[in-house]
Amino acid sequence: GESVGLHLPTLSVQEGDNSIINCAYSNSASDYFIWYKQESGKGPQFIIDIRSNMDKRQGQRVTVLLNKTVKHLSLQIAATQPGDSAVYFCAEGETSGSRLTFGEGTQLTVNP
Amino acid sequence: KAGVTQTPRYLIKTRGQQVTLSCSPISGHRSVSWYQQTPGQGLQFLFEYFSETQRNKGNFPGRFSGRQFSNSRSEMNVSTLELGDSALYLCASSPPDSYNEQFFGPGTRLTVL
Repeated sequence: GESVGLHLPTLSVQEGDNSIINCAYSNSASDYFIWYKQESGKGPQFIIDIRSNMDKRQGQRVTVLLNKTVKHLSLQIAATQPGDSAVYFCAEGETSGSRLTFGEGTQLTVNP
Repeated sequence: KAGVTQTPRYLIKTRGQQVTLSCSPISGHRSVSWYQQTPGQGLQFLFEYFSETQRNKGNFPGRFSGRQFSNSRSEMNVSTLELGDSALYLCASSPPDSYNEQFFGPGTRLTVL
């Protein structure tokens, strides 16, 4: 079936650097995309979302970019901190529905 | 506002047994979704309930079932447990005006021996 996948399973960065986590999706009908952060022993935590009528959305230290032409989504984290170390998932869905399809996750490690 | 709560947090069962997991959504949220998370398959959608009715269902066998009560609390049940059912079971609730925004609980870690 259609699914959302991530390019890299792990990403290691230095504290203070910017991080970029990528995601590819394949369901053309998806019009809603979310990034979640999951720390060890916890459930996924909502970071930021974007709808298909936008190509960029910014939050606090985070930016999500959506390229519908190549079905690509990315999460940029500015000035990465040790507390950002976690697994990051992208998810896709349709605004007409309530079901999310998750990518496999990227483990982000921030080195002090 | 209190977050999504799930009980129990940890559970150990043996093959063939059945298990019931509970989820209390954020106050005011009426949609509850369940996901299974395993290292091999990632996060997979089980089902979603809204106003006590199953509104959406994933590709899991009939051994996996759920229900929702009038206060929006939800339970999921797995019968005839298999070793492969060992996973983190996550519950998420959504606000009435934005069904896509899903807020997750901490999960129930189920181990089947």
